[in-house]
Amino acid sequence: DAGITQSPRHKVTETGTPVTLRCHQTENHRYMYWYRQDPGHGLRLIHYSYGVKDTDKGEVSDGYSVSRSKTEDFLLTLESATSSQTSVYFCAISAFPGQGNSPLHFGNGTRLTVT
Amino acid sequence: GDSVTQMEGPVTLSEEAFLTINCTYTATGYPSLFWYVQYPGEGLQLLLKATKADDKGSNKGFEATYRKETTSFHLEKGSVQVSDSAVYFCALSAGGSQGNLIFGKGTKLSVKP
Repeated sequence: DAGITQSPRHKVTETGTPVTLRCHQTENHRYMYWYRQDPGHGLRLIHYSYGVKDTDKGEVSDGYSVSRSKTEDFLLTLESATSSQTSVYFCAISAFPGQGNSPLHFGNGTRLTVT
Repeated sequence: GDSVTQMEGPVTLSEEAFLTINCTYTATGYPSLFWYVQYPGEGLQLLLKATKADDKGSNKGFEATYRKETTSFHLEKGSVQVSDSAVYFCALSAGGSQGNLIFGKGTKLSVKP
């Protein structure tokens, strides 16, 4: 299994508070991704990174920011959490995305509840 | 834009039954296609993939064939087990250099003994 660790695994927070989720990889892969999983929507891309300090928006990026100061760490921040951001968040990594046939490897997810 | 449509669940089968989960896609170009499986409380795991038309991906008794003419990538297994109970996601490569995948909404499979 790819070495991907997400923390925390579970988080309950109040509306309006900032929240940061962490993804740590030991594979030295250049590309990292944050997805959210919601019933009826499957997985949707929030942000991705193609190198240290290189990030870009995905399909559902509003209300989220990311940072990547080291190859191994990719942080997802909810600046002011809202109930609509209650979800399960997955980090993924990829070795050779430019080839088009490279699979993503996923962490075990963070379940976030915003009350 | 690119999209994936898969059959809605839940799907409930008896052990040793035949499984088909339908997946169709819309894409420009020639995407690679994937099936992922998610067991309760875990992340997604790659089950199989196909990178060009008529390729057949297979793993753990599961198979799927990349059909360009019908834009489909249906997942099949001849005899399911209780341990196959999970959520299955069909996905395609989005193209370009970013490497992300576009996922279907998932199909929950429950296998009864």
